[in-house]
Amino acid sequence: DAGITQSPRHKVTETGTPVTLRCHQTENHRYMYWYRQDPGHGLRLIHYSYGVKDTDKGEVSDGYSVSRSKTEDFLLTLESATSSQTSVYFCAISESSWGLAGAGQYFGPGTRLTVL
Amino acid sequence: AQKVTQAQTEISVVEKEDVTLDCVYETRDTTYYLFWYKQPPSGELVFLIRRNSFDEQNEISGRYSWNFQKSTSSFNFTITASQVVDSAVYFCALSEAYGGATNKLIFGTGTLLAVQP
Repeated sequence: DAGITQSPRHKVTETGTPVTLRCHQTENHRYMYWYRQDPGHGLRLIHYSYGVKDTDKGEVSDGYSVSRSKTEDFLLTLESATSSQTSVYFCAISESSWGLAGAGQYFGPGTRLTVL
Repeated sequence: AQKVTQAQTEISVVEKEDVTLDCVYETRDTTYYLFWYKQPPSGELVFLIRRNSFDEQNEISGRYSWNFQKSTSSFNFTITASQVVDSAVYFCALSEAYGGATNKLIFGTGTLLAVQP
């Protein structure tokens, strides 16, 4: 158990509204990631963080922003939600403090977001 | 560019049958890592195995085994004597060493395995 929680676990919102998803970890991991899971696409990286206030874009970052003001929290924000952002969102941490390739990633339970 | 292909979208077997899930990857790196994750119907993602590109030995863990072949860029996963509890979506993923310390994973699209009693 990597001590990762996500909130909310389910959310329904309307197009154009802002949405913030929270990922919280209890074990002081340096590297954190946000992925989205969609049928036919597997999981795709949205953004990642390699420390407090240090973030970078992933493969599908358009329409998303992130923030990390504390080691334990990594927030994903949809400034103006669209129906194409309906998805399951997973947060993950790297077991490596250095984000080394080959380190296992452990995932939170996921957040199911529906944008109407 | 790196890519992971899981050509089998869905597989259905009867309990106790053996089943192999295919994973083919593309990378220009000589150093890379391959992973398998399991996603049961409850939705969580469970880390199963990691293998680095320098270790081509097959690995066995109980009913699970993995066959890594660099010559064919494949990292296949076999479940022996399948059980209903093996029903899940299985993802193969790739991480490259080149590009710095970010450990970004590239996932395949997943294979849904249904084990019928």
